[in-house]
Amino acid sequence: EVQLVESGGGLVKPGGSLRLSCAASEVSFNTYNMNWVRQAPGKGLEWVSSIGSDGYIDYADSVKGRFTISRDNAKNSLYLQMNSLRAEDTAVYYCARDLYDILTGYYFDSWGQGTLVAVSS
Amino acid sequence: DIQMTQSPSSLSASVGDRVTITCRTSQIIHRYLNWYQQKPGKAPSLLIYAASRLQSGVPSRFSGSGSGADFTLTISNLQPEDFATYYCQQSYSTPWTFGQGTKVEIK
Repeated sequence: EVQLVESGGGLVKPGGSLRLSCAASEVSFNTYNMNWVRQAPGKGLEWVSSIGSDGYIDYADSVKGRFTISRDNAKNSLYLQMNSLRAEDTAVYYCARDLYDILTGYYFDSWGQGTLVAVSS
Repeated sequence: DIQMTQSPSSLSASVGDRVTITCRTSQIIHRYLNWYQQKPGKAPSLLIYAASRLQSGVPSRFSGSGSGADFTLTISNLQPEDFATYYCQQSYSTPWTFGQGTKVEIK
């Protein structure tokens, strides 16, 4: 497992922006696929976005065009730029590493502790 | 998107019980199915991947089975630390989707 620490959450007004960060403990960060997964208060888990070690990016439809995932391998860090925030984006945001091989598929083996984003006027 | 249906949504059980949680997917996903445990206020943690492979460090009382579109998580000899919410997740195609969760409570 890799240690992951999120930061950057907070209270923001609808329409506002926020940038989340996730710091990874391992120097081999550049070889990992990374994800953001969120959980609204009292609700289940929702995958938000992923960025591969090769730079391939994918988004859930609910955030496409508003959120941007990025990574800085030199800083062992993952980011999520969130724009045009809505009340329904209120959630704890987790960063998670996924591992993959052709026999097992993808799975999230390491998770951060999460950072809370609250969108409210 | 692949829809995930977990059942039951909650259950009450006693220490020592055998507990079974099922997960059904809206299309065939072969064995690309993972299970996670989440305790209140904590991040999820991986229990089972690829339907039946036990994550390192997870007790052997946890087991997974199934393929295609029907999967099962079994906890044999339920322990106090197993009271938590359990989620299945498909990794066959994006968007990765999760079941709605099964809360295991103390009877």
